[in-house]
Amino acid sequence: GAGVSQSPRYKVTKRGQDVALRCDPISGHVSLYWYRQALGQGPEFLTYFNYEAQQDKSGLPNDRFSAERPEGSISTLTIQRTEQRDSAMYRCASSLAARGAGKLFFGSGTQLSVL
Amino acid sequence: GNSVTQMEGPVTLSEEAFLTINCTYTATGYPSLFWYVQYPGEGLQLLLKATKADDKGSNKGFEATYRKETTSFHLEKGSVQVSDSAVYFCALDRGSGGSNYKLTFGKGTLLTVNP
Repeated sequence: GAGVSQSPRYKVTKRGQDVALRCDPISGHVSLYWYRQALGQGPEFLTYFNYEAQQDKSGLPNDRFSAERPEGSISTLTIQRTEQRDSAMYRCASSLAARGAGKLFFGSGTQLSVL
Repeated sequence: GNSVTQMEGPVTLSEEAFLTINCTYTATGYPSLFWYVQYPGEGLQLLLKATKADDKGSNKGFEATYRKETTSFHLEKGSVQVSDSAVYFCALDRGSGGSNYKLTFGKGTLLTVNP
C-alpha cells in the first residue's frame, strides 16, 4: 500500500477482554516496529521485527502483551486481559532496511480505550 | 538511561515568524538525533536527522545542528507557514552507526501557526 495501515483506528473494550491490533506495513519493508504513546507523551518502543523474526521485545510491559509477524508482512499486537492502564495510542512503523537502519514510516495508530 | 527533553508547548506563532523548538538529550555513546513531525490525523514522519557531532540536518526549511558540547539538537525555521502547524518530536536512537532502531522520543511540542 501507499503507507503503513493500522486497524482498527479506534478500539473500545472492557477491562479483562483481549484485543488484537493489526499493522500492514509498506510493501517490501523489512523491519516493523510497535510503539505505544500515552496522552501527552512521546512514543515508547515496544518491539521490533526483521522479516518474521522478533528481534527485540524488551519494551513489552508484561506477558499480557505479545506480537507476531508470521509471514514477514502483516503484524498483530495482542493484549490479553486488558487493563485500564493499557489505554493509549498504539503506533506501528516500518522501514525498508534490515536491522532498523533507515527511515521509519509510521501509521496513524490505533487508539485503544479500556473501560 | 537515554532521555530527551523538549521545550513544552503549545507554541503559537504568526505566519513568517521565526521558530525555535529546544531539545536536549542524555545518552551514552554516540546516538543519532532526529526530528519527527506529526500533522493532524497522520502518522509521524521523519523531518530531519543528524548522525554525528556538528552535523546539520535540514529539510523543508527546517534545520537542526547536533551539538555534543551542549547535548542539544534545537529545531529552527526562519519563516513558518500555516502548513507547518503540527506536533514536533525530538528523538534519539540507542543503536550505533546511524541506526534508528529503538528510538527514544521527547514528549512532543504542538506548534500552531496563525495566518
